[in-house]
Amino acid sequence: NFMLTQPHSVSESPGKTVTISCTRSSGSIASNYVQWYQQRPGSAPTTVIYEDNQRPSGVPDRFSGSIDSSSNSASLTISGLKTEDEADYYCQSYDSSNHEVFGGGTKLTVL
Amino acid sequence: QLQLQESGPGLVKPSETLSLTCTVSGGSISSSSYYWGWIRQPPGKGLEWIGSIYYSGSTYYNPSLKSRVTISVDTSKNQFSLKLSSVTAADTAVYYCARLMIGLDSSRFDPWGQGTLVTVSS
Repeated sequence: NFMLTQPHSVSESPGKTVTISCTRSSGSIASNYVQWYQQRPGSAPTTVIYEDNQRPSGVPDRFSGSIDSSSNSASLTISGLKTEDEADYYCQSYDSSNHEVFGGGTKLTVL
Repeated sequence: QLQLQESGPGLVKPSETLSLTCTVSGGSISSSSYYWGWIRQPPGKGLEWIGSIYYSGSTYYNPSLKSRVTISVDTSKNQFSLKLSSVTAADTAVYYCARLMIGLDSSRFDPWGQGTLVTVSS
């Protein structure tokens, strides 16, 4: 089993770009795809990135995902920040035993 | 459009069994491309995967909860269910059901139900 570690919180100003990291504790980040979910207060999570860097239809292209094997981490980048992007963001992957793993979540504040 | 809806008691006493059902509408739970999962979120905390089930009944459970969890499926009702035994206050959480889309080296929860808060208290 492995863990996915995210920063507890990040903040940035409207119009700027922010990147949220998700570091895998063991095994290669490239072994299994990483998904990113957005969760607004009081709502269920929704997918903003799947399979490392794919955007579901309806998700603006301001959202992008990538992986970096050198740091064994995945990243979610949001450009042109809007106040509506303020939410919690979770990364997710799975291990070789078909066990799903979530990161601890990152609270994004747009101020 | 696929929709999922959790249902069950909102209050459970300590040491008893939590039981929830997820009803799937707008699609068949017997689709070969998907698993179905339960995820929970304690108040103010992050997401925790509980377990997943295939329409055939094949299951995978979070090792930390495995001894207390049973997930089952009823294809005739297009439902799947969660039972968590010997609950304590630490099991108080919003419980979500979701479709688990499985691909090569990929798994994604989409869509999710709206979630239901279960409080463990006497």
